[in-house]
Amino acid sequence: DAKTTQPNSMESNEEEPVHLPCNHSTISGTDYIHWYRQLPSQGPEYVIHGLTSNVNNRMASLAIAEDRKSSTLILHRATLRDAAVYYCIPTGGTSYGKLTFGQGTILTVHP
Amino acid sequence: DGGITQSPKYLFRKEGQNVTLSCEQNLNHDAMYWYRQDPGQGLRLIYYSQIVNDFQKGDIAEGYSVSREKKESFPLTVTSAQKNPTAFYLCARLGEQYFGPGTRLTVT
Repeated sequence: DAKTTQPNSMESNEEEPVHLPCNHSTISGTDYIHWYRQLPSQGPEYVIHGLTSNVNNRMASLAIAEDRKSSTLILHRATLRDAAVYYCIPTGGTSYGKLTFGQGTILTVHP
Repeated sequence: DGGITQSPKYLFRKEGQNVTLSCEQNLNHDAMYWYRQDPGQGLRLIYYSQIVNDFQKGDIAEGYSVSREKKESFPLTVTSAQKNPTAFYLCARLGEQYFGPGTRLTVT
């Protein structure tokens, strides 16, 4: 499984953009990059995933580096409900479906 | 909840007792997963099943057992052999993997 490095914590103000980075330098060519988030006492919630191209959905955007060794989750306008732990998880190939969670990034959003 | 139901939300047991956690899905997905989460930690994979009557150990299977007799059900038994059973247990299905609401198990 590819190892990931994320900042332990980040802070943002409400309605400002947030860029959450993730390094995954050992990612394999067939791994997708998944992002999940988890609110306190709840199960993780899928946010977005991508392979090579940048991806957008109603929740966020995912920018993937050209060499795929890093990616950035972008929340365009942070809200208080976005305060959560964000996990970056490369998965795919023979480990498809098996998510290996690291420590994640604790995002604090200030009013 | 992405079609995953876990019950109960909170469960209390005495040390030495086996306990079974329920996980049901209504979306006809083949693959289902069980994870454990300890306070301040990420999730760790216990067991997973990709097809009925078949399952594989995850990273921390010792002290746990599962069954997959029906596609919609994947119960997890926490046995008395599990040294530290108190944790938050999450069941998930594949397909932008959706997680159930979880069961918080406390063993005293």
